[in-house]
Amino acid sequence: NAGVTQTPKFQVLKTGQSMTLQCAQDMNHNSMYWYRQDPGMGLRLIYYSASEGTTDKGEVPNGYNVSRLNKREFSLRLESAAPSQTSVYFCASREIAAGELFFGEGSRLTVL
Amino acid sequence: TQLLEQSPQFLSIQEGENLTVYCNSSSVFSSLQWYRQEPGEGPVLLVTVVTGGEVKKLKRLTFQFGDARKDSSLHITAAQPGDTGLYLCAGAGGGGTSYGKLTFGQGTILTVHP
Repeated sequence: NAGVTQTPKFQVLKTGQSMTLQCAQDMNHNSMYWYRQDPGMGLRLIYYSASEGTTDKGEVPNGYNVSRLNKREFSLRLESAAPSQTSVYFCASREIAAGELFFGEGSRLTVL
Repeated sequence: TQLLEQSPQFLSIQEGENLTVYCNSSSVFSSLQWYRQEPGEGPVLLVTVVTGGEVKKLKRLTFQFGDARKDSSLHITAAQPGDTGLYLCAGAGGGGTSYGKLTFGQGTILTVHP
């Protein structure tokens, strides 16, 4: 049972480089989310997609873009990475608005 | 602005002790969830509470949603080393956010020593 799969698991970038974090879920969920987790800050929502074809900003969207490629896949792109984007990124999905969030294992990104 | 304040941030106790983690807000939430996260993994849902005053039990864990749906608590009885982890509360529909968005607290890192 794969659930939510994120790639890559680890990445080191230099300031100004770009990269895309990939996320795929096999649970046929409508909603997908990207969070970042920093020490003492809990999980902060970057972008979410309530359903295929829609995306919306969360609490901390600056410096990021997203694409809901299809119902299964939701990618997060950093166009010009900054050291402040060093974090652990989690993709999550769920069936209904108040339902359980299913998380991937996380992607640890370091920007030098 | 952090809508959900969790306390304490760190908790280090001996096996067999009891503990309570608090999750407080000035906003009303339509539901509140508690997640547990282990190192190198994503959070996993423990419980969802939706009714003011609701109490749910999961073995040695007791979850309570405040009457006004602004706060919640997690109580662990006779903690065990396997309870070690990061505990996160998350509220839905608070502070004018849309129903589909969850707001997370900062988390409580619990360490239970044998």
